[in-house]
Amino acid sequence: KAGVTQTPRYLIKTRGQQVTLSCSPISGHRSVSWYQQTPGQGLQFLFEYFSETQRNKGNFPGRFSGRQFSNSRSEMNVSTLELGDSALYLCASSLEGREGVDEQFFGPGTRLTVL
Amino acid sequence: GESVGLHLPTLSVQEGDNSIINCAYSNSASDYFIWYKQESGKGPQFIIDIRSNMDKRQGQRVTVLLNKTVKHLSLQIAATQPGDSAVYFCAETRAGETSGSRLTFGEGTQLTVNP
Repeated sequence: KAGVTQTPRYLIKTRGQQVTLSCSPISGHRSVSWYQQTPGQGLQFLFEYFSETQRNKGNFPGRFSGRQFSNSRSEMNVSTLELGDSALYLCASSLEGREGVDEQFFGPGTRLTVL
Repeated sequence: GESVGLHLPTLSVQEGDNSIINCAYSNSASDYFIWYKQESGKGPQFIIDIRSNMDKRQGQRVTVLLNKTVKHLSLQIAATQPGDSAVYFCAETRAGETSGSRLTFGEGTQLTVNP
C-alpha cells in the first residue's frame, strides 16, 4: 500500500512569507504528526492531529499551525517565515496515535529553505 | 528540559563487524523506546522498539538493550552491511498515552560502513 506522501518535496521561500505543507497519511491512518528536523536541533515534535483535532503540541511559536481534514490529510502552515525555519519538515502517520501499539510511518519530508 | 541524547555523533565500522550505537535518556517517566534509521533523502524508518518492562529485545540482525538504572539504551547491529549506513535515532515516549502521539528524539548517530 502507498506510504505517507508529502508535497511539495522542496520549497524555497523568503523571509516574511508564509508557507503551507501538505501530508497524505497511509490509507486508514487517522493520526498525523509533524516534526521539524534541523542539523542544530535534531528532530523536534511540532503537533499531532487526530480526527481533525489537534491533540498534542510541541514547543513551537504560534507562527506554526496545522489542521487536519475529514479524510485525515493534514497541512501545516508557517507564517512570517524566519531564516531559522529552514528545515526538513516530516510528517508521520499511524492508525490512532497509540504509542507502543500503532507504528508510526514517516514520509520523505519537505525541504524548506528560507532566504 | 528533558531530552534523549546520543553519546557519539559518528561511528565508522568495517563491513561484517558488529556496530553498537548508544543513547542516554533523562525522562524517567518514559516507558517506550524506539530506534529509527534515516537514510539520506528519506524519513526515519522504524527498526525496533522496547518497553521499559524488558531489558533486551532482538530483531533481525538487531538487538536493543535497555538499562533503566542508568537510563541508557543501545542498538546493536550484527554483521554490519553497507546498506546499514545511515543516521540512527533513538526516541522515547510514554506508551498508551491518551493524549496522543509524541516522540522525543535523540540527536542521531551517523553510521558509516566501510567495504
